[in-house]
This record gives sequence, C-alpha cells and structure tokens, in this order.
Amino acid sequence: GAVVSQHPSRVICKSGTSVKIECRSLDFQATTMFWYRQFPKKSLMLMATSNEGSKATYEQGVEKDKFLINHASLTLSTLTVTSAHPEDSSFYICSYSSGGMGMNTQYFGPGTRLTVL
Amino acid sequence: AQKVTQAQTEISVVEKEDVTLDCVYETRDTTYYLFWYKQPPSGELVFLIRRNSFDEQNEISGRYSWNFQKSTSSFNFTITASQVVDSAVYFCALRGGYGGATNKLIFGTGTLLAVQP
Repeated sequence: GAVVSQHPSRVICKSGTSVKIECRSLDFQATTMFWYRQFPKKSLMLMATSNEGSKATYEQGVEKDKFLINHASLTLSTLTVTSAHPEDSSFYICSYSSGGMGMNTQYFGPGTRLTVL
Repeated sequence: AQKVTQAQTEISVVEKEDVTLDCVYETRDTTYYLFWYKQPPSGELVFLIRRNSFDEQNEISGRYSWNFQKSTSSFNFTITASQVVDSAVYFCALRGGYGGATNKLIFGTGTLLAVQP
C-alpha cells in the first residue's frame, strides 16, 4: 500500500495556542487528501477534503476558520488548529486516495494525538 | 443517503477461535466500493480490502476472508484461528459511485475485537 506520514505524532499545547499538523504522501502525488478526527472509542469523522492548489472543502459543522487547511503541493497538506481549546483534543488523521477513477483506495497516516491543556 | 452499520460494538474471543465481524450498508448508488480497515492500539488505520459492487466473489487472504452479499447488503469479515495480534478496532467503510478521488468514505462505528490468549 501507499505510505503516508504525519508530524508530529503527539503534541501537547496550552489553550489559546495554534498547532500545525503536517501530512505527507511519500510515494504518491496526491491531488486530494482528507482530514479526519477521531474521539476516543469513536469512529472517524471527516473534517474536510483538501485539494491541491485550491480551497479545502469543509464538512458541515466544521469551522473553516478554526481548522485551517493548506494543500500547497502534491505531497504535503497541513492542518492548523487555531486558538486551540481543550475540546479540540482529539486524534487527527489524514489520508489520501490512490488509484484510478472510481477505483481508488484511501490510505491513512499514523495520526496525530493532540492534547490541549 | 449512505450508511454503514456495524452492530457489534465489542467482541471477545479466545485465541484460535474463528470470529465474524458484521457489516451492513445502505446506498442508492448502483456502483459503490466497500472497505475494511484495521486500527490497532497504535492508532494507524491499516487497509485490508476493497470490494467493488459489481464483483460479488468472496475473497480469502490467509486467515482473513470476506463474504459480500448484495442481496442482504452485507460485507462480513471473518478471521479464522484468531491470534492476539488481531486485537484491534475494525472499521467497515463505503464509498459510492464514480467521481474519483474526492468521493468520501462513510465509516461504520467500528467493532473492537479482543483476542484473549
């Protein structure tokens, strides 16, 4: 399968600060990447779809000004949690699709565990 | 609307037992794709299988097998002779139609499998 990396794997920050999470596809140039968050013992919730060179598409209920997504290249997408609060503490996972039209499979990064104090 | 239901929240088995994880899906698309992912305690989602709606052949990969039944909208996953390393949360997911990389994955709520030694 394809390889996706995320950095950092864990981050602890103070309330009010901003945190940037990087997602890199190591063996594929991805025009589209996805950002999810996962609460403990819960399923994955899609936050946004990140399109290279254009604005991300956010899911309903996700604040685009709070969760800034930048997909500046075919191998790098970033998610910035701005003015983080304890309720933003979660597991954030990125993924990208690999494969031809309609046949693609999403491969996931190892995730970033964010703890906001 | 698309929906994936994994009715089993948690399953506990003893090593070497066979175990089947259920997945029932809903979609109006005539073409769609079904997936299974494994999420071990480390958190990274591992892709296990993709099945296309037009291919109802069951598949076996080592100790893993999948039973796709369009008539009952089910895509069940069986682990034969389970091992402790199989302990993880398993997610079933659905992606509809054509449209390439931007189509969203709809996840079930996951089944936590605990294999006791």
